Amino acid sequence: NAGVMQNPRHLVRRRGQEARLRCSPMKGHSHVYWYRQLPEEGLKFMVYLQKENIIDESGMPKERFSAEFPKEGPSILRIQQVVRGDSAAYFCASSLYSGGTNTGELFFGEGSRLTVL
Amino acid sequence: GENVEQHPSTLSVQEGDSAVIKCTYSDSASNYFPWYKQELGKGPQLIIDIRSNVGEKKDQRIAVTLNKTAKHFSLHITETQPEDSAVYFCAASITGYSTLTFGKGTMLLVSP
Repeated sequence: NAGVMQNPRHLVRRRGQEARLRCSPMKGHSHVYWYRQLPEEGLKFMVYLQKENIIDESGMPKERFSAEFPKEGPSILRIQQVVRGDSAAYFCASSLYSGGTNTGELFFGEGSRLTVL
Repeated sequence: GENVEQHPSTLSVQEGDSAVIKCTYSDSASNYFPWYKQELGKGPQLIIDIRSNVGEKKDQRIAVTLNKTAKHFSLHITETQPEDSAVYFCAASITGYSTLTFGKGTMLLVSP
């Protein structure tokens, strides 16, 4: 009865390196969301994906950030050439698509905490 | 797009007291309003939600009320316990159309 699984839980990168964060949705869920949380702030939407399809990326920075959700395997959030401002907790959530409608109920993972030195 | 305001940012209560957290939203089309609890170092957990076709929902010690006319909704926790201490987030969305927009959170501290 696994929930949303994220890894790594903690990641340290130096400026200029790449960060890859992985997310496996709950069993039966076909929609994945990525949110970013800065210290003492709320959750900011980044991107919403279905398998092999980006539905909404209106919250993604235009440069250095990308996301995918391949047919097989986890969803991946990729940050290239990281900067100190990318340090944050990145949360993945999944939702169920039922009866032709996304139920809208999001279930979150434990997050990946990125620290950029 | 949707904008969600949440108050207060911090709330301290004594064990056994009630706690109320309030949120307002801007998009009158929003129809789904969940509340999440986030403990330190963990991910947000859905604790209760309400859809726009009802005005109130209760689950044991927690309840949520929705006023669609005023575009605000509230979380009520009765008989608070120290383990209720956490950050609580409200959110709003249009089911099947938009993603969740979150408030900035309320840090609730329940003192024994």
